[in-house]
Amino acid sequence: NAGVMQNPRHLVRRRGQEARLRCSPMKGHSHVYWYRQLPEEGLKFMVYLQKENIIDESGMPKERFSAEFPKEGPSILRIQQVVRGDSAAYFCASSPDREPYEQYFGPGTRLTVT
Amino acid sequence: AQSVAQPEDQVNVAEGNPLTVKCTYSVSGNPYLFWYVQYPNRGLQFLLKYITGDNLVKGSYGFEAEFNKSQTSFHLKKPSALVSDSALYFCAVRDMTGANNLFFGTGTRLTVIP
Repeated sequence: NAGVMQNPRHLVRRRGQEARLRCSPMKGHSHVYWYRQLPEEGLKFMVYLQKENIIDESGMPKERFSAEFPKEGPSILRIQQVVRGDSAAYFCASSPDREPYEQYFGPGTRLTVT
Repeated sequence: AQSVAQPEDQVNVAEGNPLTVKCTYSVSGNPYLFWYVQYPNRGLQFLLKYITGDNLVKGSYGFEAEFNKSQTSFHLKKPSALVSDSALYFCAVRDMTGANNLFFGTGTRLTVIP
């Protein structure tokens, strides 16, 4: 059983461009979470999704950020018009229905905005 | 509101000595508590969790944690440290408001000295 997959692992964008981060959960997991980690800090919750539904987006900035988890395919975290402050590591986690709080993390996408 | 605190940014311990990484929490109701480890440029790896039951929880790689309700603590321990245990350790508590996301502490960097 493959773990949580994220791609790309590293992403460089110029200010004003769009960034798309992909996350494929573990097989059988229907809960997906996105977290952001700034250098030398802990992870901060951004958004929690189940298939085709956003359950909780209280940690996501209101502007420029959006997330989806379609019926087919990976979950996508989209950042429009990136700014330098968006540079961070973005981690995706997934969990199974029987224990939705037990989260397994992907390797992360490191976004650098130049 | 729930939160976790890791009072030590850095812990140094000699190889072969016991190690403790501290965590205190604040939640209303019964807490769900977790420890994760992060190696450089990697995602978080699940170590162990406390949901209910025995206060001493055993996890991966020889780690264990002791849940202490009166002191609202969940310290991570290992009887004999290895150099390979050197990493960043995060304590987390589940969001008890209904969502399943985790609140993370700021992390403790463990260095095991040969």
